[in-house]
Amino acid sequence: AQSVSQHNHHVILSEAASLELGCNYSYGGTVNLFWYVQYPGQHLQLLLKYFSGDPLVKGIKGFEAEFIKSKFSFNLRKPSVQWSDTAEYFCAVNVPNNDMRFGAGTRLTVKP
Amino acid sequence: KAGVTQTPRYLIKTRGQQVTLSCSPISGHRSVSWYQQTPGQGLQFLFEYFSETQRNKGNFPGRFSGRQFSNSRSEMNVSTLELGDSALYLCASSLLGQMDTEAFFGQGTRLTVV
Repeated sequence: AQSVSQHNHHVILSEAASLELGCNYSYGGTVNLFWYVQYPGQHLQLLLKYFSGDPLVKGIKGFEAEFIKSKFSFNLRKPSVQWSDTAEYFCAVNVPNNDMRFGAGTRLTVKP
Repeated sequence: KAGVTQTPRYLIKTRGQQVTLSCSPISGHRSVSWYQQTPGQGLQFLFEYFSETQRNKGNFPGRFSGRQFSNSRSEMNVSTLELGDSALYLCASSLLGQMDTEAFFGQGTRLTVV
């Protein structure tokens, strides 16, 4: 079945640590890829998106993600996390003529 | 510009009842999608409406239905509520639909079924 997998359910880091959240999808054709963030008590917001072109995309708040087509992956990275990055992160895949599929989410807790 | 507005923000219903949730998309957006968010399942796609027509549908039972009006506002209805329907229901709007730019999400309606 077509799916989006986020490998980590809960990640706990200290401030200034580096972050990498994994995302893999199982669609074989053209995809659009997204990372959304949901801060506590707030609505989902777009962090970054990949449609085409440079597979390394930069988003807001210092986040970036790399699309590796051969690995069906779109991992999210940030070199140095802050306490304010504590949130839930969702990877999403959009396939032509299909709905948008979300991963189960990764909860990130950053300790001050 | 105003964001996506969902009403009500909170609802408590009893088993067997039905409920209607409302979503007003960003002005000019013609696509509205609905999602169910639960702690264990993450976001699951319910359906997408575009120009008053249901264009895509997820794997939910027929108790879940929706519609879209000519002004792009959308409603979602759940009949014969079950305890497992307790969740945060999110609405997202986009200009043209799934392959367009990003979707903008509302704050959701938290439904509790008792």
